[in-house]
Amino acid sequence: ILNVEQSPQSLHVQEGDSTNFTCSFPSSNFYALHWYRWETAKSPEALFVMTLNGDEKKKGRISATLNTKEGYSYLYIKGSQPEDSATYLCAGETSGSRLTFGEGTQLTVNP
Amino acid sequence: DTGVSQNPRHKITKRGQNVTFRCDPISEHNRLYWYRQTLGQGPEFLTYFQNEAQLEKSRLLSDRFSAERPKGSFSTLEIQRTEQGDSAMYLCAQSVGSYNEQFFGPGTRLTVL
Repeated sequence: ILNVEQSPQSLHVQEGDSTNFTCSFPSSNFYALHWYRWETAKSPEALFVMTLNGDEKKKGRISATLNTKEGYSYLYIKGSQPEDSATYLCAGETSGSRLTFGEGTQLTVNP
Repeated sequence: DTGVSQNPRHKITKRGQNVTFRCDPISEHNRLYWYRQTLGQGPEFLTYFQNEAQLEKSRLLSDRFSAERPKGSFSTLEIQRTEQGDSAMYLCAQSVGSYNEQFFGPGTRLTVL
C-alpha cells in the first residue's frame, strides 16, 4: 500500500502569483502518478498521468514534473487566476489498478 | 463533465437504514472503481470491477458494503445498516485508456443521522 503525502495542506495566493505544490510517494513499486483538480460541487478532473522518471507535462498554465528515483512530483501553476481555486490531488499507482490519493492541497486564489 | 453520472447526488438517512447508490459509466466493459472521501482526506479506494467481475476489495469495505456491476454496465454500491461513520462522499470512476486515467463522477454525498 502506498503512502502518498502532499504539501502544503492549503495555500492562499494573490491573482497573478505563480505557485507550486509537492506530492511525495515511495519510489519502490512505482507504476504511475496522477494529478487531479477538484472544484467544489464538481467531479475530480484528471490533469496528468505520468509514468517515466523526468516526465514533464503541461496543460495551459499548469505543468507537472516527476522524479521516480527520489519519489516526488511537483505541480506548478503560472499566473494563478481565481478560477484555479480548487483542491489539487495527487495519486500514486503501483499496479495499473487502484489509485492511492494524498490528502490534497487546497488552493485559494484571491482576486 | 466527464460523462460518468451518479445518483442520487445527496442522500440523508437515519442510522440503521440501507442505502443504494448507482453509477452509470461512459461506456461498458472496462474498469469501474468506487472510492470514499471524508472531510479533509483524499479519496480512499473501496473496490473495482473489470467488466462484471469484482477484482479487488479494500479492507475498508466491511460486510455491510456490497457492490455489483451486472453485465459490465452500471454499478451499484449498497450499504446495509448504515452507521454515522459511513457519512462521506462516495465517488465512482471509470478507467479509460492504457494509462489507467480515471474519470470521476460527481459523487453521492451520504449523511447518516
